Amino acid sequence: AQSVAQPEDQVNVAEGNPLTVKCTYSVSGNPYLFWYVQYPNRGLQFLLKYITGDNLVKGSYGFEAEFNKSQTSFHLKKPSALVSDSALYFCALTKGGANNLFFGTGTRLTVIP
Amino acid sequence: DTAVSQTPKYLVTQMGNDKSIKCEQNLGHDTMYWYKQDSKKFLKIMFSYNNKELIINETVPNRFSPKSPDKAHLNLHINSLELGDSAVYFCASSQEAGTLGSNQPQHFGDGTRLSIL
Repeated sequence: AQSVAQPEDQVNVAEGNPLTVKCTYSVSGNPYLFWYVQYPNRGLQFLLKYITGDNLVKGSYGFEAEFNKSQTSFHLKKPSALVSDSALYFCALTKGGANNLFFGTGTRLTVIP
Repeated sequence: DTAVSQTPKYLVTQMGNDKSIKCEQNLGHDTMYWYKQDSKKFLKIMFSYNNKELIINETVPNRFSPKSPDKAHLNLHINSLELGDSAVYFCASSQEAGTLGSNQPQHFGDGTRLSIL
């Protein structure tokens, strides 16, 4: 069975500071890992994914994430937070041969001006 | 030029009624999905169709029936609505990655907020 954990329901960060949103996963075999962002009353928007290769992946809006196989983590990062980054962030997982995404419970990011 | 569009955006109805939610994608994708997001924002897959064929059917009451008239459309029909069906339902689509499974990102509609009175 596969699962995704986002240990923090809420992350607050000051504008201009670096941000990290944590994600750990559990799966047999090699995972495909994704980050999505959800703004109020909107659907999820794709930010970035890790499939294979370089452990550091870069995505939309200046976000990046690092795949760490030994720690089974895929934390989302951004060097300098913007107020407009405030939203709900979801980590998700699928694996080869499957099509459905397993989502974490979401982390609400608030960037304080 | 909305990529994945769902109608209606809001649906308020009485317990016991039957309702449908429509979804269309203009991205040329092969695979479409329905997700349910509950009041705590937890997202769970309900169904997935690939080229009009059902490929994922999670543990969902059989009151929920998806229908895909063509690969650009995946509608969701719900019979005998119950209070617990109140949620936001999201349609999504992705390009099929064949036997490797889907490493392609999914594109989501803006959701249908279903409220049962």
